[in-house]
Amino acid sequence: ETGVTQTPRHLVMGMTNKKSLKCEQHLGHNAMYWYKQSAKKPLELMFVYNFKEQTENNSVPSRFSPECPNSSHLFLHLHTLQPEDSALYLCASSQELVGLGIYNEQFFGPGTRLTVL
Amino acid sequence: EDQVTQSPEALRLQEGESSSLNCSYTVSGLRGLFWYRQDPGKGPEFLFTLYSAGEEKEKERLKATLTKKESFLHITAPKPEDSATYLCAVQAYSGGGADGLTFGKGTHLIIQP
Repeated sequence: ETGVTQTPRHLVMGMTNKKSLKCEQHLGHNAMYWYKQSAKKPLELMFVYNFKEQTENNSVPSRFSPECPNSSHLFLHLHTLQPEDSALYLCASSQELVGLGIYNEQFFGPGTRLTVL
Repeated sequence: EDQVTQSPEALRLQEGESSSLNCSYTVSGLRGLFWYRQDPGKGPEFLFTLYSAGEEKEKERLKATLTKKESFLHITAPKPEDSATYLCAVQAYSGGGADGLTFGKGTHLIIQP
């Protein structure tokens, strides 16, 4: 596997279900991100993890719960979602070298297409 | 609040017809401006990073430029395979480490043979 992978690629769930999205990066990066892409709207940042620590929560509802067990893996746990949560969920990673003033581009995975019924 | 506005929303060109896409931004301290390409059903693919006004970067038929208020993505003699949605994003200084990106809605580009 290379780059950033996401599973599953497609997910259909009911409003009472609990499911999880998985992201894995094979780039040796130290930062990982979750974004949401809805139709007709720009990509929206949800969460940022830097060295496994959550550094940003962009006012995301508590029905979305992220988990970052190590620098290579990122999960998004979903429960009691609403139909308006249907979207493409994208994971990204980057290598941040703050002390050297180097800020690198984020590489994205293919996304998970989520449909909430 | 950081904002990114892209224009036009959609653009249809003939093969070989050059044009430019615009990205206007407001940000509290620009750390970097990024261009991505996104094909249907796929994640964004990184194209360029620009850090300071006056900077330019090129890749094949694409050239990105940056001023203090906007960025342009110039497409020279495009081919049908350049058809995609082009996304512009900015990253602001937060004083810390990793920072998320603020994206525009994108320009949907269609190149007709």
